[in-house]
Formats: sequence, structure tokens, C-alpha cells
Amino acid sequence: GAGVSQSPSNKVTEKGKDVELRCDPISGHTALYWYRQRLGQGLEFLIYFQGNSAPDKSGLPSDRFSAERTGESVSTLTIQRTQQEDSAVYLCASSLGNSFTGELFFGEGSRLTVL
Amino acid sequence: AQTVTQSQPEMSVQEAETVTLSCTYDTSESDYYLFWYKQPPSRQMILVIRQEAYKQQNATENRFSVNFQKAAKSFSLKISDSQLGDAAMYFCAYQAYDKVIFGPGTSLSVIP
Repeated sequence: GAGVSQSPSNKVTEKGKDVELRCDPISGHTALYWYRQRLGQGLEFLIYFQGNSAPDKSGLPSDRFSAERTGESVSTLTIQRTQQEDSAVYLCASSLGNSFTGELFFGEGSRLTVL
Repeated sequence: AQTVTQSQPEMSVQEAETVTLSCTYDTSESDYYLFWYKQPPSRQMILVIRQEAYKQQNATENRFSVNFQKAAKSFSLKISDSQLGDAAMYFCAYQAYDKVIFGPGTSLSVIP
């Protein structure tokens, strides 16, 4: 597609349920990022995929969070046993991934509300 | 670890006036990129301007320009002739070899 696509755009779930968020990056972009943005706050880095390299998971807040990416395509972010503090907008971004290329192209985000 | 700081949580500017948003960062790298991203209320983030650290010349994109002070690790954004459409959250960001780190953001209001 022309841009980064994320689904669902909105998700309401009950505490303790698992959720999956999907990101479809721009074709040809080898780098893919997940960020979390709580209401009125900045972007919190979660995980970074670059090609076939091992992902940088240093931002994942707990073992309830995991992410996968198939090759250089779709990525899913999974949150197990959701908690109310997981409520946020989850932003996905992709880039060409070459060193110093830099520009990130963002999706519109998935807004997660945990009741 | 690299960090990005934006000391102004909120700023306002009169329409047609000029405003400067501040950003400082901490790094031990010599080569890196710095960015300003804009997030309008619709929430999709877009790139405003980019600066390569090895370039001494400050980047400019139409009404947007930066003041890059490498030794001071400072990277401010100047918006000239502010327009109502400039109202948004502005995030300063840093990238060396891998992940992009964002600052906490500055909320800019434009007063008609």
C-alpha cells in the first residue's frame, strides 16, 4: 500500500484479555518500529526490527508484551493479560532502514482501551 | 544511553509570528541524525525537518528551520510566519545507528 497501515484502529478489551495489533509497513521498508503513546505524552520506544537481524526488544515494558515480524512484511504486537495501564495508542512506523536514512513513516495508530 | 529532552511542554504563538521550540540531546556518537516530527490532532506523525550531524549548515524547509549546535547538543526548531495549521505536538528525535528516540514533545498552540 501507499502508507503504513495499522489495525484495528480502535480496540476495547477487558482486563486480563490478550490483544493483537497489526502493522503493515510500506513495501520495501526493511525497518519497522513499535511505539507506545499514552494520552498527552511522548513516544515510548517498544521494539525495532531491521531486516533479518535480531530485533531490539529493549523497550518492551514486561514479558506480557511480544512482537513478531515475518521477513520484511507484516508485524504483530501482542499484549497478554492486558492491564489498565496498557491503555494507549500503539504507533507503528517503517523506514528504508539504511543507516542514517532516518525518516520514519507512521501509521495512524491503534488505540487500545483496557476496561 | 541516548536521551532527548524538550523543556517546553507547551508553547503558544500569534498567527504570522515566529516561535522557537527547544531540544537538547545526549550522545557519545559523532555521526547521527536529528529530526523534528509534527503530530496534528488527527495523530498521524509526519516529518518536518531533518539534520545530519556531520553537516554544519542548518537545515531549512520553507517556513521551518533549525539551529543545530553540535557542541552544545542543541537542536531547536524555528517556525516563521506561523499558521493555524501549525498547531500540533512537535517531537524532537535522534537516531544514530539504529532505533529512533523521541523527546517528550511540545504542544504548540497558534492564536488567531
